Amino acid sequence: DAKTTQPNSMESNEEEPVHLPCNHSTISGTDYIHWYRQLPSQGPEYVIHGLTSNVNNRMASLAIAEDRKSSTLILHRATLRDAAVYYCILDNYGQNFVFGPGTRLSVLP
Amino acid sequence: DGGITQSPKYLFRKEGQNVTLSCEQNLNHDAMYWYRQDPGQGLRLIYYSQIVNDFQKGDIAEGYSVSREKKESFPLTVTSAQKNPTAFYLCASSGPKGSYNEQFFGPGTRLTVL
Repeated sequence: DAKTTQPNSMESNEEEPVHLPCNHSTISGTDYIHWYRQLPSQGPEYVIHGLTSNVNNRMASLAIAEDRKSSTLILHRATLRDAAVYYCILDNYGQNFVFGPGTRLSVLP
Repeated sequence: DGGITQSPKYLFRKEGQNVTLSCEQNLNHDAMYWYRQDPGQGLRLIYYSQIVNDFQKGDIAEGYSVSREKKESFPLTVTSAQKNPTAFYLCASSGPKGSYNEQFFGPGTRLTVL
């Protein structure tokens, strides 16, 4: 199974940008990089995904390193509602998702 | 509204009893999944099904059973053989393998064994 490593926890101040890193040094050429987040006592929800190019959507941006061995999820202005566990997952067609422990993001008012 | 429903939200079970968790989706998705989550941990895959009447074991299938008689439904039975069943159970669905497979999750069922 493709593996990712993330910091256990991070802290941010409200309305400041947050950069959540993810290392995936064994990524294969066909692996997509997915990010999900899980609010307390809820199921995970999709945030963003990408393959090679940086991606933006209404929730976040995804910056992918040129060698694809790492990526960064960017929340442009953190709000209290962004406090959650963020999972970085590699997705290869035909394989199942592998969820690690993720990064617990705390947002301070 | 399209989505995934799980019931019940909370479930209490006595030791030695089997219990069935419900998962229904109206997203017309082919694939469905069951995950288990323990406190402070990530999700672990129990079973998954890519198509009706077919399912595969995930990483921690022992003590669990599933069925997939309808596309919309993927119930999970926690049997008495599961030694430590107290956990948060999450159901998900996605499009067929080979397509972009964003997974949509239900709200979860919290099972406690008394």
